[in-house]
Amino acid sequence: ETGVTQSPTHLIKTRGQQVTLRCSSQSGHNTVSWYQQALGQGPQFIFQYYREEENGRGNFPPRFSGLQFPNYSSELNVNALELDDSALYLCASSLGSGGRNEQFFGPGTRLTVL
Amino acid sequence: AQKITQTQPGMFVQEKEAVTLDCTYDTSDPSYGLFWYKQPSSGEMIFLIYQGSYDQQNATEGRYSLNFQKARKSANLVISASQLGDSAMYFCAMSSMLSGGYNKLIFGAGTRLAVHP
Repeated sequence: ETGVTQSPTHLIKTRGQQVTLRCSSQSGHNTVSWYQQALGQGPQFIFQYYREEENGRGNFPPRFSGLQFPNYSSELNVNALELDDSALYLCASSLGSGGRNEQFFGPGTRLTVL
Repeated sequence: AQKITQTQPGMFVQEKEAVTLDCTYDTSDPSYGLFWYKQPSSGEMIFLIYQGSYDQQNATEGRYSLNFQKARKSANLVISASQLGDSAMYFCAMSSMLSGGYNKLIFGAGTRLAVHP
């Protein structure tokens, strides 16, 4: 069984640039959620994709967008990067979007915005 | 509002002793789930234990148990026989329909556990 993978591991960007983060879900999982974890804080929910459709969104501006592909892998795109976007971005996959579905997290992508 | 509170920024415990990490939650949804995750310095969130709001018994998973007190809205994690490898950040999280769906987790600020030999 293949676990959740994320790429890249680390990334450095400058203010105003755009970034794309990638996530491959665990085998058989059709739901991907993205979280932002600022230094010293708990993760904050960005959005979730279920069967290629956005299925819930947290309190993040529209410059945070995403995609889910037919193989259930996912991308997180952030436009017009700001210094406060510096964080660990975590992707989690699960089977189904309702009930008690355990989420399996990837190792994260650490984004630094200069 | 849906909220998780972890009041202990840091905890120390001697190897082989038990430790309790506190978590209180706030929700008006009668159906919710409570989770504990471990985050080592590598960054990956590792699932430890789950408690459903309608579960009659406290959840247990090996050395981990969840002390669920519904009336007090608390879901404390108990780690028995601590090991050096237990040193990490620990997060309590909740999901419910009112929080946006069962797969949207609301996390607390975390507790850093240090296990000393």
